[in-house]
This record gives sequence, C-alpha cells and structure tokens, in this order.
Amino acid sequence: GAGVSQSPRYKVAKRGQDVALRCDPISGHVSLFWYQQALGQGPEFLTYFQNEAQLDKSGLPSDRFFAERPEGSVSTLKIQRTQQEDSAVYLCASSLDFRGANEQFFGPGTRLTVL
Amino acid sequence: AQSVTQLDSHVSVSEGTPVLLRCNYSSSYSPSLFWYVQHPNKGLQLLLKYTSAATLVKGINGFEAEFKKSETSFHLTKPSAHMSDAAEYFCVVSAGGSGGGADGLTFGKGTHLIIQP
Repeated sequence: GAGVSQSPRYKVAKRGQDVALRCDPISGHVSLFWYQQALGQGPEFLTYFQNEAQLDKSGLPSDRFFAERPEGSVSTLKIQRTQQEDSAVYLCASSLDFRGANEQFFGPGTRLTVL
Repeated sequence: AQSVTQLDSHVSVSEGTPVLLRCNYSSSYSPSLFWYVQHPNKGLQLLLKYTSAATLVKGINGFEAEFKKSETSFHLTKPSAHMSDAAEYFCVVSAGGSGGGADGLTFGKGTHLIIQP
C-alpha cells in the first residue's frame, strides 16, 4: 500500500539558495509532522499540522524555516537562504489522528546538503 | 517537558545471543513510549509501542519491551539476535496527545546495534 512519500530524496543547494521539500502523507491521515535528523543524531521535532492548521511550530530553528499544508494533505517545508548548518535529513511523518499514542508513519526523508 | 536517554550509543552482540538496548525516559504526562528502528537508507519503522495497557509489550521481529514506571525505563530486548537486526534503534516518548499542543515525538539519540557473525 502507499506509504508516506517525500521528494526530492536528495537535494544539494548552494548556501543562500531557497529550497522546498515536499511530503505526501498517507491518504486520510489528519496529523502531519516534520522532523530534522542531523548526522548521527535522532530526529528532532520541527512542526505539526492537524489537517491544514499548523498547531505547533516550536521546533523550527529560525524564521528561515516555513511549512504549509494548505489543503490538509500535501505539505511543503521551505527553507530560505540556506546555511551549512541546515544540512540534514528532513523527515515527514503522518498519523491517523491527533492522539499522541497513535503510530506515526515516516517517509524515507530528504537529504539536504548545503555547500 | 519530556526527554529520553538511551544509555548506550553502540551495542555489539554475537548472532544468536540476547539483545538488550536500554532506555530511560522523563515525562510530565502519562507517556506513550515507542521503539523505532532505522535501517540504512530506509525509513523509520515502528517496532512496538506502550500506551498504558500491558507493561510487557511485544513487537515485530521477536522484539519486546517492558515498561517499568518505578525505574522510568523502557528497555528493548530480543532473545536471539539475527544478522538482519543490525540497525539504528530509537527510543521515543510522546506526551500522549491532548490534540491542542505539541504532539511531536521526542527521540533518543539512538543505539547502533552491531551483530557479530
């Protein structure tokens, strides 16, 4: 069956460029999450959507990071004026509803390298 | 606030011997606890979860974990390691989900499991 998909799988950007990372959650999943995983570390929470509403963006590291989910399905994470410290794997996850006990299904991630 | 501590960054065992990956948590709420596995170049996969039902939780591929509230631990075990178990393992805590705030998962730093032939 279709899982969470992310595109592109790999992105190389020059410092200062803007990038956009796409996430297609599992159809019908209400909740969508973005995480950042630096090399050798566990994923860290960035932001959370319930349908189209962004209920928590406390994990976004700076105002250069912006996420949207305008129709409550596909989500885009945008990073403006990329910096080298933004290099990481960006993971998207979705779950059936808002309850924290529900399993989050993860996509394969987008590996961002900023030169 | 919640946090997770995985006590070992690397664990090496021989194939066929038991596996123990240690995890301690801290949470202000009644937590939900998870173990996820990440194979190289693959997405995170749920192994098992604890959500205030039975304290001994069985997961996929022969793994199980025991929730011990008095010790704030959620250690992952498997009786007999297989070569295919080599991967990165993450202990994860969720606040339980009120629906109105941060429902993101808090991950430990991971334990790299190495299986010796």
